Amino acid sequence: TQLLEQSPQFLSIQEGENLTVYCNSSSVFSSLQWYRQEPGEGPVLLVTVVTGGEVKKLKRLTFQFGDARKDSSLHITAAQPGDTGLYLCAGVRGNMLTFGGGTRLMVKP
Amino acid sequence: NAGVTQTPKFQVLKTGQSMTLQCAQDMNHEYMSWYRQDPGMGLRLIHYSVGAGITDQGEVPNGYNVSRSTTEDFPLRLLSAAPSQTSVYFCASSLNRYEQYFGPGTRLTVT
Repeated sequence: TQLLEQSPQFLSIQEGENLTVYCNSSSVFSSLQWYRQEPGEGPVLLVTVVTGGEVKKLKRLTFQFGDARKDSSLHITAAQPGDTGLYLCAGVRGNMLTFGGGTRLMVKP
Repeated sequence: NAGVTQTPKFQVLKTGQSMTLQCAQDMNHEYMSWYRQDPGMGLRLIHYSVGAGITDQGEVPNGYNVSRSTTEDFPLRLLSAAPSQTSVYFCASSLNRYEQYFGPGTRLTVT
């Protein structure tokens, strides 16, 4: 059982659709991060959220940290084929970063 | 800046062999860590270091050793490779725990 559960695991949508990816835990984190990973490469940090209830926007991506700092969501508006990739959430507790299992997103033109 | 570099990119080992995965960073980051990535499991922390001379265990440390003699380098040693250690290994560095920069990975197969 993973400390951070991501859903859905797989998502295949058409270009222009909206989507939301969820990252849930029963544990509290001091902060939560979202990464995107392309095949054959390491993950790249998209955003860090620190405060409960915090919302951050990165162009068409909106990230929210739950009020209790146990969960987070990533919403993508008008998805594009360039958004295709593996999205990973990661929670910080002490000196350790714990990753969720990832959501594999495919956006078809 | 090269960022985080890892060598080799690919490696095949026989069960029982030992090897060292190399990781180096040129950003003067204090925090470095090693992860393994298996299908459907995300990344799992093996070992980490908060500075030269200081290392600690992560979630899955068994079968791996690390040392941190300099700020730049953080090698990962497999003592006696097992098929269960077949995975993709990523090294990461950061100024703190928050903004981690990942290397390109080493794909290891143990037969």
